[in-house]
Amino acid sequence: KAGVTQTPRYLIKTRGQQVTLSCSPISGHRSVSWYQQTPGQGLQFLFEYFSETQRNKGNFPGRFSGRQFSNSRSEMNVSTLELGDSALYLCASSLVGQGAYEQYFGPGTRLTVT
Amino acid sequence: QQPVQSPQAVILREGEDAVINCSSSKALYSVHWYRQKHGEAPVFLMILLKGGEQKGHEKISASFNEKKQQSSLYLTASQLSYSGTYFCGTDFTDKLIFGTGTRLQVFP
Repeated sequence: KAGVTQTPRYLIKTRGQQVTLSCSPISGHRSVSWYQQTPGQGLQFLFEYFSETQRNKGNFPGRFSGRQFSNSRSEMNVSTLELGDSALYLCASSLVGQGAYEQYFGPGTRLTVT
Repeated sequence: QQPVQSPQAVILREGEDAVINCSSSKALYSVHWYRQKHGEAPVFLMILLKGGEQKGHEKISASFNEKKQQSSLYLTASQLSYSGTYFCGTDFTDKLIFGTGTRLQVFP
């Protein structure tokens, strides 16, 4: 069974631009969660989507948004990029939800904002 | 509320044991443990559910004290492959929040 895929793997953007990251979950998984990982901060929860609806949201500004499509693929968008948005963005899929089920992480998208 | 992990870093020789702790200020429904090797994605190790059920790795054990809102991960007879950063994730209201991680290094 194919794992979680994320595209692109690397991105370099300029401050003020916007970016869209994509995540394809494992087939049959309906929940997709997004995390931001920076050194020293661990895995910061952004949001979780389930059946095209945002089910949970972390403490990030409104510049961070996402959506999920009917095939469970998910996209994350960051508008008006800031230098502090440079991070590894990970998505994870699970069968039903992140609460009581294991999550499978993708390889991540490394975003660098200059 | 982000759970607090301790210690922040551990250095071991092969064959030694280690305990990683995770504590939360809020009541928990479950605790999740993941390991991330350098340059790789986090990998699931274990879930401990309220009520005592555990799902996960056969060679790694963990405890979940609901009253104290704490969990401990026990790594016995450590192997080189155990090296990595261990994250606990605490769940209440179906929202999984991860700690800042414990870096474990095992040397021969």
